[in-house]
Amino acid sequence: QKEVEQNSGPLSVPEGAIASLNCTYSDRGSQSFFWYRQYSGKSPELIMFIYSNGDKEDGRFTAQLNKASQYVSLLIRDSQPSDSATYLCAVNGNQFYFGTGTSLTVIP
Amino acid sequence: KAGVTQTPRYLIKTRGQQVTLSCSPISGHRSVSWYQQTPGQGLQFLFEYFSETQRNKGNFPGRFSGRQFSNSRSEMNVSTLELGDSALYLCASSLQGVYGNTIYFGEGSWLTVV
Repeated sequence: QKEVEQNSGPLSVPEGAIASLNCTYSDRGSQSFFWYRQYSGKSPELIMFIYSNGDKEDGRFTAQLNKASQYVSLLIRDSQPSDSATYLCAVNGNQFYFGTGTSLTVIP
Repeated sequence: KAGVTQTPRYLIKTRGQQVTLSCSPISGHRSVSWYQQTPGQGLQFLFEYFSETQRNKGNFPGRFSGRQFSNSRSEMNVSTLELGDSALYLCASSLQGVYGNTIYFGEGSWLTVV
């Protein structure tokens, strides 16, 4: 079992819709959770991190964490074509474990 | 504030050769970690250096090695290159170390082995 699992997609949503990206992790002792966005041919850039159960909002992005279910999600409201990218979920322990990423396409 | 700088950005090597990649972290950051990204395996952790000491290592063969200098700059070396080593190699820096902290990536070094 991989440490971090994500649906690879591709996920397509129309412009203005809500995109929902999901991630599960195996290490129940994990404390820190991150979402990175990676455009094709570029390096990952940090979008959000979350440590506590519940929701954390930053602009159009909301991260949700449920430690009991070992589940992390990222919601993107009012999706824009510029949001089209691969989204990587990462879980932090003594090293970073990354999911393989979900490819998101926002259709104008 | 300058970000994480990696050099070279692109390189092509022949099987059996070795390669050295360089990473300069964000000013003040003492931790540098290295990752390999391939389409099939995704992002995989290679190792982390903190204050010139290797703190943690991923599941890669001994051909992959690294070091960190007193100014926190880091290098990674891959010896006896194989075709499967073709990948994007990413360096990331963190203020106090990977555990519990955020990491920031450089633009990466694209390595092609022919």
